[in-house]
Amino acid sequence: LAKTTQPISMDSYEGQEVNITCSHNNIATNDYITWYQQFPSQGPRFIIQGYKTKVTNEVASLFIPADRKSSTLSLPRVSLSDTAVYYCLVGDIMNSGYSTLTFGKGTMLLVSP
Amino acid sequence: GAGVSQSPRYKVAKRGQDVALRCDPISGHVSLFWYQQALGQGPEFLTYFQNEAQLDKSGLPSDRFFAERPEGSVSTLKIQRTQQEDSAVYLCASSLETGPSNQPQHFGDGTRLSIL
Repeated sequence: LAKTTQPISMDSYEGQEVNITCSHNNIATNDYITWYQQFPSQGPRFIIQGYKTKVTNEVASLFIPADRKSSTLSLPRVSLSDTAVYYCLVGDIMNSGYSTLTFGKGTMLLVSP
Repeated sequence: GAGVSQSPRYKVAKRGQDVALRCDPISGHVSLFWYQQALGQGPEFLTYFQNEAQLDKSGLPSDRFFAERPEGSVSTLKIQRTQQEDSAVYLCASSLETGPSNQPQHFGDGTRLSIL
């Protein structure tokens, strides 16, 4: 199974840009890179997904270099409500053709006033 | 539309009791997953259904754990003879289709199970 490595925690202040980098050296050709956000007492919530280069949506950007061995989640101008755990995942395609998710411990982002 | 719904949100049981946790996935979603999340850890895969077929149960920790999805919609995770190490949050997720890993999973808010 492809594994990911990301920082355990990060601190930031309101209004700053936050970049969380994840390494996934064993990513397979068919794998997408997906980021989830989880607040306490809630289930993970999909943020963004990409395969290569750059993807941007209304909440974040995802930068993926050409070798795809790492990715960076960029959160522009964070607010207190962005305090959460962020998981970087690489999908694993099983023999039956479906994809499951392997979560690590994630990165705990703390945004302060 | 409605998201993934799980019930109960909290469950307290005495060691040795059986429990049943329910998951209502998003309507029309083919794939359904169960995860277990211990305190301070990321979710860990338990089992996967494609419609009513349980294609993968490799993550179930013991034969005390049983999951079903008889009509391809609602799913139930059952734990028999509960033990204290079963205490965790149990998360259910669904996705629209099977196939490549570019299908986002939609999670419920989980059932927090506490075994006394």
